[in-house]
Amino acid sequence: SQTIHQWPATLVQPVGSPLSLECTVEGTSNPNLYWYRQAAGRGLQLLFYSVGIGQISSEVPQNLSASRPQDRQFILSSKKLLLSDSGFYLCAWTRRTDTQYFGPGTRLTVL
Amino acid sequence: QQQVKQSPQSLIVQKGGISIINCAYENTAFDYFPWYQQFPGKGPALLIAIRPDVSEKKEGRFTISFNKSAKQFSLHIMDSQPGDSATYFCAASWSDKLIFGTGTRLQVFP
Repeated sequence: SQTIHQWPATLVQPVGSPLSLECTVEGTSNPNLYWYRQAAGRGLQLLFYSVGIGQISSEVPQNLSASRPQDRQFILSSKKLLLSDSGFYLCAWTRRTDTQYFGPGTRLTVL
Repeated sequence: QQQVKQSPQSLIVQKGGISIINCAYENTAFDYFPWYQQFPGKGPALLIAIRPDVSEKKEGRFTISFNKSAKQFSLHIMDSQPGDSATYFCAASWSDKLIFGTGTRLQVFP
């Protein structure tokens, strides 16, 4: 069966510090991978998605970036965090069946 | 055209009642419509999904009704239970991406 992991689970970072969030998927190969952000009490905003290694599509211009160094690894990064980057970050995968499966999320607080 | 409009924003239902959440879309290219359930601090989990060639799909107490001509779909939760208290998101799939509604916070009181 497939499993998706995200870490860390929670993170508190000062404004201007760098960020690295990691997502890995087990039990499948060549998945589509997605990063979403969810602000408190709000819906899900698609940030990036990837259909293969090194292939990244950005949906919303901002100070975040994404990379996919391995088939089942997706990383979300920032060089300098802003207060507005606070939120709940979710990784998801699909094996081209439309259904997306979400990870447990990372709660990021920027102070 | 890429939006999915969801209502109501919040819903309070008594135990045993029917919860109804509605969604509407504009893009006729959408070809898959899932509903997700999210508990606080957790990732969304797929609840039930439908394709536009079907008008209704039922799984246990959860039913999706789909009206292709009106470009609307809804989630019905029969015999609502306190354990159903969560946020529900509708979504529509297009070109390997999901467009989500803004969510409905459901509270079921005993």
